[in-house]
Amino acid sequence: QKEVEQDPGPLSVPEGAIVSLNCTYSNSAFQYFMWYRQYSRKGPELLMYTYSSGNKEDGRFTAQVDKSSKYISLFIRDSQPSDSATYLCAIGGTSYGKLTFGQGTILTVHP
Amino acid sequence: DGGITQSPKYLFRKEGQNVTLSCEQNLNHDAMYWYRQDPGQGLRLIYYSQIVNDFQKGDIAEGYSVSREKKESFPLTVTSAQKNPTAFYLCASSIVGSLQETQYFGPGTRLLVL
Repeated sequence: QKEVEQDPGPLSVPEGAIVSLNCTYSNSAFQYFMWYRQYSRKGPELLMYTYSSGNKEDGRFTAQVDKSSKYISLFIRDSQPSDSATYLCAIGGTSYGKLTFGQGTILTVHP
Repeated sequence: DGGITQSPKYLFRKEGQNVTLSCEQNLNHDAMYWYRQDPGQGLRLIYYSQIVNDFQKGDIAEGYSVSREKKESFPLTVTSAQKNPTAFYLCASSIVGSLQETQYFGPGTRLLVL
C-alpha cells in the first residue's frame, strides 16, 4: 500500500465548476499537508499548506484536512481555464524535510 | 529575484555516458533535494542534503550521485548505471529547522536518452 494515494484522473470540468481533489494517506504520524500546482513542463509551485484538521481558505482555494480519516482535499471554486494543471498533494512530518507526494491529478478546465 | 535555477532545460544522454544536472539556489536555504518525476508516478526522492558536505540517499538513489560542496549548489550526476534515465528531474530547497519545511522547486530538467 502506498503511503499517499491520489486519483490521477484526468479530470475535465467546465469553467465555473467546483473542483474537488483528494488524497488519502496511511501513516497517522504525518503532521503537515501541502498542495502543489504544476503546469506542463514546469516545476511545482506551492498552493496551500496546513497542519491541522479543518479548513483553510485562500481566495478560490480551500484545503481541508481530516486526520481521523487520513483524508485531505483541495477545493477550487469558480474554476478557470488557467487552473488547468496537475495538482500534487504532499505530506510530511515523519522526518525532517522529507515529503511524500501523491501521483498528481491532471485537471483540465474548458471554457 | 530569489529562486532556484536548473540547467539545462533539456539534456540528451548517449548510452554509457554520465551526465550532470545543475541546481543552484539563492534563497539561503540549508536543505536541497533531487526528485525524479515519471508520468503517473508523482515525485520520487533521489537524494537530499541538509548541510554542506553531507547528503543522504532517498528512495531511488541507485544509478545517481550528488555532491554538496557549496550551500547554493547541489548537482546531480546520472551515471551509466542508471538504465532508465528518461524522466523529468526536479530540484527543490527548504529551510532546515522544523518539521514544517516547505519545499520550493526549480523549473526542472528533462533528460532524454539518444
